[in-house]
Amino acid sequence: QKEVEQNSGPLSVPEGAIASLNCTYSDRGSQSFFWYRQYSGKSPELIMSIYSNGDKEDGRFTAQLNKASQYVSLLIRDSQPSDSATYLCAVNWGRDDKIIFGKGTRLHILP
Amino acid sequence: DAGVIQSPRHEVTEMGQEVTLRCKPISGHDYLFWYRQTMMRGLELLIYFNNNVPIDDSGMPEDRFSAKMPNASFSTLKIQPSEPRDSAVYFCASTWRGRNSPLHFGNGTRLTVT
Repeated sequence: QKEVEQNSGPLSVPEGAIASLNCTYSDRGSQSFFWYRQYSGKSPELIMSIYSNGDKEDGRFTAQLNKASQYVSLLIRDSQPSDSATYLCAVNWGRDDKIIFGKGTRLHILP
Repeated sequence: DAGVIQSPRHEVTEMGQEVTLRCKPISGHDYLFWYRQTMMRGLELLIYFNNNVPIDDSGMPEDRFSAKMPNASFSTLKIQPSEPRDSAVYFCASTWRGRNSPLHFGNGTRLTVT
């Protein structure tokens, strides 16, 4: 049973375009959702957290959450070559503090 | 703020040897997580602690793995005996308020078992 699913990619997006990353999760009780970015050979770093249905914007990044559809997404506007990385979706499991990660989507921004 | 500190950064050992990975969480954080990352399986949760107490160790692959947190500022992950399939990057992460706060990751330990 897959718990947190992401398309592994690579997702190639032209510089300046919008990159759209998607994630689905299987536990309806999950309450906390996170997007992390991981550069090759580095540790994951937080981009966005979202806890309520709807959109949350932070600079060029927008996280979208739909709990009814068990779906969370990340939009990156005006994509830059420095955005090329693996993006990890993370979800708390049910009402626990256990945080489960998807396998990540590799994003490649084409100059 | 020094961040989460892990040691060693790299560890190369022979099959059958004991390996100990160390982690110092951010001061004031009461949750500590151990993850293992491989290309095939991604970032897998091994175990997590709250207030130094193990809460969920269901991700620990087998009895060869053990983790302790003797105090709020130190945790270890031990593998004995090590096997080649244990080769991975092991991350420690800490947070406070559990699921309501993001994780802060250490730089990881790259383990190679030959």
